[in-house]
Amino acid sequence: QLQLQESGPGLVKPSETLSLTCSVSGGSISDNNWYWGWIRQAPGKGLEWIATIKYTGYTYHYPSLKSRVTISVDTSQNQFSLRLSPVTAADTAVYYCARQASGLGSFLDHWGQGIMVTVSS
Amino acid sequence: QSVLTQPPSVSAAPGQKVTIFCSGGSSNIGISSVSWYQQFPGTAPRLLISEDYKRPSGTPDRFSGSKSGTSGTLGITGLQTGDEADYYCAAWDGSLSALVFGGGTKLTVL
Repeated sequence: QLQLQESGPGLVKPSETLSLTCSVSGGSISDNNWYWGWIRQAPGKGLEWIATIKYTGYTYHYPSLKSRVTISVDTSQNQFSLRLSPVTAADTAVYYCARQASGLGSFLDHWGQGIMVTVSS
Repeated sequence: QSVLTQPPSVSAAPGQKVTIFCSGGSSNIGISSVSWYQQFPGTAPRLLISEDYKRPSGTPDRFSGSKSGTSGTLGITGLQTGDEADYYCAAWDGSLSALVFGGGTKLTVL
């Protein structure tokens, strides 16, 4: 059974870099049928898709975040990562990783449990 | 401001039916399929419906999805108190090259 698990610091200072990793188990991140994405949810707010990556390194980003986001994949570790820099208080959110179907039929079928990241000095 | 538009809340009595609409445009729902997610407080979202109407294993057949033009619809019949949750729609936006979400709808089962 496919499982995803986010990891990283729960507290980041303003203007610094948020770095998260998603570890995938029960399946291969190199599966050609899938992308691997990041989604966040600010406290009391809705879901916001951030970016997605395929094992080949091909990426898509949400336009308003693109300049601050780096998404990468490590097939040897079956992991993918998110870096967001510089951060502000507005980046405080629960960050989820998920498996994503590509193209016009896109959907997110397996999600991690989420990790709360607070941006504060 | 979300790219897809959902009502903030809906409510209905146990056993009744409720419909949640998701309105988009020609660059998203007009060309892409709609997916729906259920989220309980403090937990990760769960895929409820993919590709407009497909139910993943584990989604009861009380939940149904459809699409017409630039709008998607989630229907829930035989409402149960356990269905109280937030529901989100999503679709790929070809202009943004991004997955876009609705703002979410809070379902209350009275």
